[in-house]
Amino acid sequence: AQSVTQPDIHITVSEGASLELRCNYSYGATPYLFWYVQSPGQGLQLLLKYFSGDTLVQGIKGFEAEFKRSQSSFNLRKPSVHWSDAAEYFCAVGDSTDKLIFGTGTRLQVFP
Amino acid sequence: ETGVTQTPRHLVMGMTNKKSLKCEQHLGHNAMYWYKQSAKKPLELMFVYNFKEQTENNSVPSRFSPECPNSSHLFLHLHTLQPEDSALYLCASSQEGGKAFFGQGTRLTVV
Repeated sequence: AQSVTQPDIHITVSEGASLELRCNYSYGATPYLFWYVQSPGQGLQLLLKYFSGDTLVQGIKGFEAEFKRSQSSFNLRKPSVHWSDAAEYFCAVGDSTDKLIFGTGTRLQVFP
Repeated sequence: ETGVTQTPRHLVMGMTNKKSLKCEQHLGHNAMYWYKQSAKKPLELMFVYNFKEQTENNSVPSRFSPECPNSSHLFLHLHTLQPEDSALYLCASSQEGGKAFFGQGTRLTVV
């Protein structure tokens, strides 16, 4: 069955600290992988996506993610978190028709 | 601003009411989607339209009725909803290639 697992429901970090949000997927074909961010009361904004090629993907707002096929993972990273990064982050997997399967999300809290 | 606009942003309705959610995009995309986001659950894909034709219905109850009159507009007609239907309803659009743009959502409360 196709699924996305985000094992961390809630993460708290200090401003300036590094961040890694975990994402594991189960998908029958070569996956298209995405990270979205959702601020309170807002829709989802695409941070980055992986289709093929270089397994380290750069996104907006200083985020990057690395696709590891052997681990079925697509973890999101940022070297230094800003208070404005506090939001909910969703990992998603899809096929070329864009029907996305989402994880349950990780809520990020940033302390000053 | 993603280019996908949803109205209304908030909606409170009784279980016997009929209401509609609207989604509009002028990005030139040919696919539009309705997702449901409930607390502590993954986003659930409800409906997919490609070139105005419904190509996916993920076992959604008939009290939700989508309509896509053209490639730029998508509606979700609601009638006789249940309290458990309270959620954030997100519209998205995309062109082939995997990049979906989401609207800000309609927060629906069924009382």
